[in-house]
Amino acid sequence: DAMVIQNPRYQVTQFGKPVTLSCSQTLNHNVMYWYQQKSSQAPKLLFHYYDKDFNNEADTPDNFQSRRPNTSFCFLDIRSPGLGDAAMYLCATSTRQGDNSPLHFGNGTRLTVT
Amino acid sequence: GNSVTQMEGPVTLSEEAFLTINCTYTATGYPSLFWYVQYPGEGLQLLLKATKADDKGSNKGFEATYRKETTSFHLEKGSVQVSDSAVYFCALRGINTNAGKSTFGDGTTLTVKP
Repeated sequence: DAMVIQNPRYQVTQFGKPVTLSCSQTLNHNVMYWYQQKSSQAPKLLFHYYDKDFNNEADTPDNFQSRRPNTSFCFLDIRSPGLGDAAMYLCATSTRQGDNSPLHFGNGTRLTVT
Repeated sequence: GNSVTQMEGPVTLSEEAFLTINCTYTATGYPSLFWYVQYPGEGLQLLLKATKADDKGSNKGFEATYRKETTSFHLEKGSVQVSDSAVYFCALRGINTNAGKSTFGDGTTLTVKP
């Protein structure tokens, strides 16, 4: 089945130690998103890629970066994680940027910062 | 800007009870409306959607009707099961509205007891 896969499911990192989360998709969708979710709250959009075009949300801290080397993969880099960055990170895809199709989510990576 | 307001939770029901989770929205343009479900420890999954006024989305016994006159998309199920325990998110997304980004409600936690 076509899907969105996130690795790892659980990630523990130390305060200030860089960490990378990965996402891959077999849907061949143009758009990939990274969301941060805390305590079953609404997911908060960090940024998204439309093909290779990167779109950062205005309130996303500089500590968060992303890379999309090809259509299938997208990475979230947290350069210096703080305790407040502990959360579930969700990757999602959609067919196009400006349409009304649903998002397809991965199962998320639960990040713990010690 | 766009917004989605969901009925506050948590909601606790007995098995086979009737479920309603209210959702109202504010949006420019003509968005599609969605309900996503998130089971513990997992990402969001699309539960159902409706793309235009008076459309009814349905899946797994859940239903919601796109009511443009009341700007609502209430989720209903006639007889809930323990396995329906999850967090439910109402969302919208539309062409030419908010650059095609999704807007989520704050989520409603449903617990179904045997």
